[in-house]
Amino acid sequence: AQKITQTQPGMFVQEKEAVTLDCTYDTSDPSYGLFWYKQPSSGEMIFLIYQGSYDQQNATEGRYSLNFQKARKSANLVISASQLGDSAMYFCAMREGRDSARQLTFGSGTQLTVLP
Amino acid sequence: NAGVTQTPKFRILKIGQSMTLQCAQDMNHNYMYWYRQDPGMGLKLIYYSVGAGITDKGEVPNGYNVSRSTTEDFPLRLELAAPSQTSVYFCASSPTGSKTPLHFGNGTRLTVT
Repeated sequence: AQKITQTQPGMFVQEKEAVTLDCTYDTSDPSYGLFWYKQPSSGEMIFLIYQGSYDQQNATEGRYSLNFQKARKSANLVISASQLGDSAMYFCAMREGRDSARQLTFGSGTQLTVLP
Repeated sequence: NAGVTQTPKFRILKIGQSMTLQCAQDMNHNYMYWYRQDPGMGLKLIYYSVGAGITDKGEVPNGYNVSRSTTEDFPLRLELAAPSQTSVYFCASSPTGSKTPLHFGNGTRLTVT
């Protein structure tokens, strides 16, 4: 079974509007962390935001926020006030367990295009 | 700080050739990882290391080997290259701490023809 599922291969949003990128995950471990990365066309992987399974509040980092619904096992990324530079591939990833050496498992990504 | 440095940026190999992808980090991170990214796909773990002298297989280790003789360096060796190994290869590192993200290099684009 897929551990991380991103069901939107591609998304379009108008500049200055908000957009939500979906991510659902599957784990039986009560301790886990969820990460979002941005990959622009230049190819580098840029860390955006982190949410821990025990965190009481949804994570926020500037224009990025996480809509974390633990019971539904979803961790959707919300980008507010979209900018042209937000056009990129976005990956959701999960680290299971408390061992920080454990690797991140990635979803297949969502290609976001911001329209002027 | 340079962060995670990967060389080369691009490489074309013929089937059956071998090569080593270099990865170095200057952040004194204990943990290092090699991922591959096939076109339009997410990243899959090839090998990882929790410290010098310790390596372990990831999801897709076949056709690859690694070594970790120092904290800084984590080279990935491809033996007998095959077209299925055409991919973008990312090296990453992270410090201890379950909340810490991976820091990625800029990738090596490898084509096997």
